[in-house]
Amino acid sequence: KNQVEQSPQSLIILEGKNCTLQCNYTVSPFSNLRWYKQDTGRGPVSLTIMTFSENTKSNGRYTATLDADTKQSSLHITASQLSDSASYICVVSPTYGNNRLAFGKGNQVVVIP
Amino acid sequence: GAGVSQSPRYKVAKRGQDVALRCDPISGHVSLFWYQQALGQGPEFLTYFQNEAQLDKSGLPSDRFFAERPEGSVSTLKIQRTQQEDSAVYLCASSSASGGASYGELFFGEGSRLTVL
Repeated sequence: KNQVEQSPQSLIILEGKNCTLQCNYTVSPFSNLRWYKQDTGRGPVSLTIMTFSENTKSNGRYTATLDADTKQSSLHITASQLSDSASYICVVSPTYGNNRLAFGKGNQVVVIP
Repeated sequence: GAGVSQSPRYKVAKRGQDVALRCDPISGHVSLFWYQQALGQGPEFLTYFQNEAQLDKSGLPSDRFFAERPEGSVSTLKIQRTQQEDSAVYLCASSSASGGASYGELFFGEGSRLTVL
C-alpha cells in the first residue's frame, strides 16, 4: 500500500473556480510535507513545504493545510487559471531513512475556459 | 547554472542497447538524486549522492543500473542492456542541503524520457 494517497485522481474545473486536493499519508514520524506542481513533460516544481508543526502555508493562489493528528493535508487552489492545469504531487519526508521521500501519484487537474 | 539541466530530453533505444543520461545540477548543490517516474505515477527513488559519494543506491532496480558523480557536480545514470520496463522519465534533483532529501528543498530537472522499443 502506498504511503501517500491522493484524491481525487483527476478533476476538471472551470476557469475562475476554486478546488481542493486531498493527501492522506501513513508516514510516521515525518519531518515535512511538500506539494509540488508538475506540468506535462516538465519536472516537479515546489509549491509549499510545511514542517510537522505547521498547519498552513500559502504561495500566491495556492494554500496548503496540514493536520498531523489525522495525517491529512490539502492543497486549495483559488480562482483557478488555465496555467494551473498540471499534476499536483504530495510528498512526505520521513524522519528516518531520509533519502526516501514518499511521493503520491498526483492529482491531475485540468482547468477549462 | 540557473537550474538543473538534463540531457537528452528524449531518448529512444532498442532493447538491449546501453543508454547514458546526464544531469547537471545547480552549481554548488551538494546533494543529487535520481528518480524514475512511470506514466501517471509519482517519482520513485533510485539513488542519492552527497558530493561525489554515492550514499544510497538502494532504489536502483537491478545491476543494469549504474550512477556516478565523479567530481561532485555532473552525474550520469547509465542503464545497460535496456529492457522495455525501463521506459520511463528519469528525473534528477539537486539540493543545497547535505542531510538528505528530508532537509532541503529539491530542485528538479525537466527529466529524460526514455522509450525502449
